[in-house]
Amino acid sequence: GIQVEQSPPDLILQEGANSTLRCNFSDSVNNLQWFHQNPWGQLINLFYIPSGTKQNGRLSATTVATERYSLLYISSSQTTDSGVYFCAVAAGGTSYGKLTFGQGTILTVHP
Amino acid sequence: DGGITQSPKYLFRKEGQNVTLSCEQNLNHDAMYWYRQDPGQGLRLIYYSQIVNDFQKGDIAEGYSVSREKKESFPLTVTSAQKNPTAFYLCASSALQETQYFGPGTRLLVL
Repeated sequence: GIQVEQSPPDLILQEGANSTLRCNFSDSVNNLQWFHQNPWGQLINLFYIPSGTKQNGRLSATTVATERYSLLYISSSQTTDSGVYFCAVAAGGTSYGKLTFGQGTILTVHP
Repeated sequence: DGGITQSPKYLFRKEGQNVTLSCEQNLNHDAMYWYRQDPGQGLRLIYYSQIVNDFQKGDIAEGYSVSREKKESFPLTVTSAQKNPTAFYLCASSALQETQYFGPGTRLLVL
């Protein structure tokens, strides 16, 4: 199956700093999503981005499908950005919904 | 209020006991999914269903069973055959070939 590797595993920032999270995957994908898991365990959709670039407020994401990686950018970080960020991917066809998750990046933002 | 609900929030299982986790959605999504998350890990797919009365095994289906008798409901039974059931269980749903949305999760503990 598809392998997903996220880096860095841990990231500590001061409020206001910018950061880049990376997701590498081992095969072609037709489904790629970024999630934020809050301290209560809820997974929140950030982006559906199998290719291209998207922006939503202080967050943006870019996926370069031909090179098998995706980047999540967080600008002007806030303490509420703390939590775990997951990248999840799936191939196409009947496997479209079979998401494989990376191990996550634990982000801690200090005031 | 549209969304995905899971119950109970916490569940305790005795040795040799089967327990059932509930997942309901009112988003009119065709596809539903069950994931397991162990501490410090990403999510792993247990079972998924793309249509009523049909479901497929995910990566870690052993010791679990599901049913899909109604579009809005996808209960998961953790059987006594699952030797290490302590985990955080997350249910998700999606329109076919689209973004998955997650419920708040159920934490299962073994007494």
